[in-house]
Formats: sequence, structure tokens, C-alpha cells
Amino acid sequence: EAQVTQNPRYLITVTGKKLTVTCSQNMNHEYMSWYRQDPGLGLRQIYYSMNVEVTDKGDVPEGYKVSRKEKRNFPLILESPSPNQTSLYFCASRLAGHQETQYFGPGTRLLVL
Amino acid sequence: AQTVTQSQPEMSVQEAETVTLSCTYDTSESNYYLFWYKQPPSRQMILVIRQEAYKQQNATENRFSVNFQKAAKSFSLKISDSQLGDTAMYFCAFSLSGGSNYKLTFGKGTLLTVNP
Repeated sequence: EAQVTQNPRYLITVTGKKLTVTCSQNMNHEYMSWYRQDPGLGLRQIYYSMNVEVTDKGDVPEGYKVSRKEKRNFPLILESPSPNQTSLYFCASRLAGHQETQYFGPGTRLLVL
Repeated sequence: AQTVTQSQPEMSVQEAETVTLSCTYDTSESNYYLFWYKQPPSRQMILVIRQEAYKQQNATENRFSVNFQKAAKSFSLKISDSQLGDTAMYFCAFSLSGGSNYKLTFGKGTLLTVNP
């Protein structure tokens, strides 16, 4: 089954404690991205990757890091989380040049205390 | 930069009735896609319907249809015969087409409640 998986699905942490949210896809997609969803703001892109070792900032990259060492994985790293990073996070993937079909992961709900 | 505006933060409709959600967008490009996504309480993002800008015919998927007005940059979603399971947040989204790094730009969402 074609899918994007994210782990963990729910996470409660404290300010400053480094965390990683994993994202994996099994469709050999080149393009992967991270979005955060906040009430009244919709979804905003954090980072994206066009292929292995190729990443770039989206609209709200501050406080986040990413890496793309393998084509299937695109982890989101919060090195020093703060309460304003409390949000719902989505990973998404698609084939390069195929904006018409995007696959979303199930979402990760993060609470930073 | 492209923008997407959903002017209705919340809407409600009676079961079996028809409701229309509004969306406007701004772009200077001519090749793009427009989408409506549904987000039920499970928080999953579900594609409802997609429209290619070069197609004049409005997209339809069962009870869901769009009114795409390219000159007016308007892309509304009509839900016919509303069902309780249609209760969800609905996001309008835009993407340029043809390039490798084009992202989805989302509106702020419309929370739709279907009442029994």
C-alpha cells in the first residue's frame, strides 16, 4: 500500500529537549515536505526536499532542521523546542513535477510545555 | 507569491441540504492546480477534488463539485445532499504546475458542521 508514515503520532515534551519526528514514504517520491498546521492559519510549509541531499526552506523554517540522507526518509528535527512550536505537523510526498497528486502522512500532534 | 483566501471561518448546513464554500486566490501565473482538502476530526488530510487551470470544465466528484472562475480567481466548493460525515475542516489549496519545487499554498480553512 502506497503511504506516508510519521512517528510519533503524539508527543508531549518540554522546552529545550531535542526531538525528531520521522517521515517515511514507500513510493520512491523525489519531493518531500513538512507542513505545520495552526488554528486560523491553515497549513504552512516548513522545509522541502527535491531529492537526496537537496533541501530548502519553506515559509516558516525558523527553529527546525531537516535532512535527506535516503530517498524514502525525511526527518524533522527540533533541536531546542519552544512552546510556539506546539502544532500539528504533516509530512507530504509526491513525484517531482507532479503537483497534482500529493500524499500526506497522518500527522503528528506536538505539545511543547 | 501566491495567496489563498477562505473568507468563511465557519459554516453550518442541515443534513441533505446544499452548501457552498468560498475560496479566492491570487496568482499571476496561468498554469496551476486548485484543490479542496477535507480534514475530519481524525486530522487526516483527504483530497476531495482537484481542478486544472487549463480545463474550462468544472470538476465533479459525486456530491462534490466546484465552480471555477479563472478570470475572477474564484474556486468554490459545492456539497450537495450534505451528510453528517461531511462535518470537517475544509481547506482550499493552490499549486503552480510544471516545476519540481512548487509547493501547496493553503487557505486558513472553513469549519463545516452538518446538523441532523
